[in-house]
Amino acid sequence: DGGITQSPKYLFRKEGQNVTLSCEQNLNHDAMYWYRQDPGQGLRLIYYSQIVNDFQKGDIAEGYSVSREKKESFPLTVTSAQKNPTAFYLCASSMWGANTEAFFGQGTRLTVV
Amino acid sequence: DAKTTQPPSMDCAEGRAANLPCNHSTISGNEYVYWYRQIHSQGPQYIIHGLKNNETNEMASLIITEDRKSSTLILPHATLRDTAVYYCIVPQGGSEKLVFGKGTKLTVNP
Repeated sequence: DGGITQSPKYLFRKEGQNVTLSCEQNLNHDAMYWYRQDPGQGLRLIYYSQIVNDFQKGDIAEGYSVSREKKESFPLTVTSAQKNPTAFYLCASSMWGANTEAFFGQGTRLTVV
Repeated sequence: DAKTTQPPSMDCAEGRAANLPCNHSTISGNEYVYWYRQIHSQGPQYIIHGLKNNETNEMASLIITEDRKSSTLILPHATLRDTAVYYCIVPQGGSEKLVFGKGTKLTVNP
């Protein structure tokens, strides 16, 4: 089945460690996105990528890094520089341009202790 | 950039129509209005989108005013499973980035 997959669903890390969240899609979508969601809040855009080997900062990119080496994959690294990394992380993909909807993964809940 | 304004919460009785409003008074002529919903602890789900004509699909109807400054998402027969946060989005002009606000928390009551 086509879709977008995030793994793992739950992730625990110790403070000070970098952690990488996986996002894979087999929808042949050009664009991919990473969002962060805190309890009771909307989604905030971290990074997005329109095409392989290119990505742009969103509204809250500090403390995060991404790569887009393959069209299907857009991993997000939460670095030790991110001051409040505990959150729900959502990945999405879409065709780039107007009149197109985004498809979301089921999210990764990261807890840093 | 077109911003959207939605009420923070709404209630609806099961089986009745749920009408969710959204204001987007700064929308440009070629910008679409999208609606997504997010059930608790899941990823958002696309519902519907439109430019200026009313749209209907198996999930909902979208009514856009003639001046395009506001729209209403209609769930014709709400069920308990429609309890979710509903987001009205106008992608930022040019880049098609999706920017989500806080949305409307719809609670469908038995």
